[in-house]
Amino acid sequence: QLLEQSPQFLSIQEGENLTVYCNSSSVFSSLQWYRQEPGEGPVLLIALYKAGELTSNGRLTAQFGITRKDSFLNISASIPSDVGIYFCADWTGGFKTIFGAGTRLFVKA
Amino acid sequence: NAGVTQTPKFQVLKTGQSMTLQCAQDMNHEYMSWYRQDPGMGLRLIHYSVGAGITDQGEVPNGYNVSRSTTEDFPLRLLSAAPSQTSVYFCASSYFGTGKAWRNSPLHFGNGTRLTVT
Repeated sequence: QLLEQSPQFLSIQEGENLTVYCNSSSVFSSLQWYRQEPGEGPVLLIALYKAGELTSNGRLTAQFGITRKDSFLNISASIPSDVGIYFCADWTGGFKTIFGAGTRLFVKA
Repeated sequence: NAGVTQTPKFQVLKTGQSMTLQCAQDMNHEYMSWYRQDPGMGLRLIHYSVGAGITDQGEVPNGYNVSRSTTEDFPLRLLSAAPSQTSVYFCASSYFGTGKAWRNSPLHFGNGTRLTVT
């Protein structure tokens, strides 16, 4: 299974909304979105379990696509502390979690 | 709570040297894993463990060795460092169980060890 994320880089103005995408070569088992701030390890933002279900965490919203081979993470009203790298991750079976290459977000004040 | 603690934070090695990256967690998690992070490549799984005495290989295990003698500790050993092992290394732990309960449990990461091999 391969996870492809887009875009690779995203630079936006404070207050703007943004969406990052994750596509898989096979159906997601379950999907997790993480954010990594500079100098730290990734931290879980949202976990998706059910196809079609919209899951929110404050200004963050995520959902599986219809085929369950794609997902998006939406962040509304961005703020400077949203900067970092956003990763999608999936459990592949055999007790392994794999990650996409990440989307690096820059927020201009 | 300390969570997942990694030491050292930074390390410089010469080619051929060996060293051990330490990882300890205080959450009583049975599952622990090591990832390396390289620019543009995300996080790649090196080795993982589902409990004391049980380890297995991930995506990129060559050149690394692990053991798990206690629930709390999961050290990563570089046997003979090479420049290709220059990277940031992350240790992560999570709850471990059967079926969906484990698959949906989040990974808790340490703050990483930045390793340079010259």
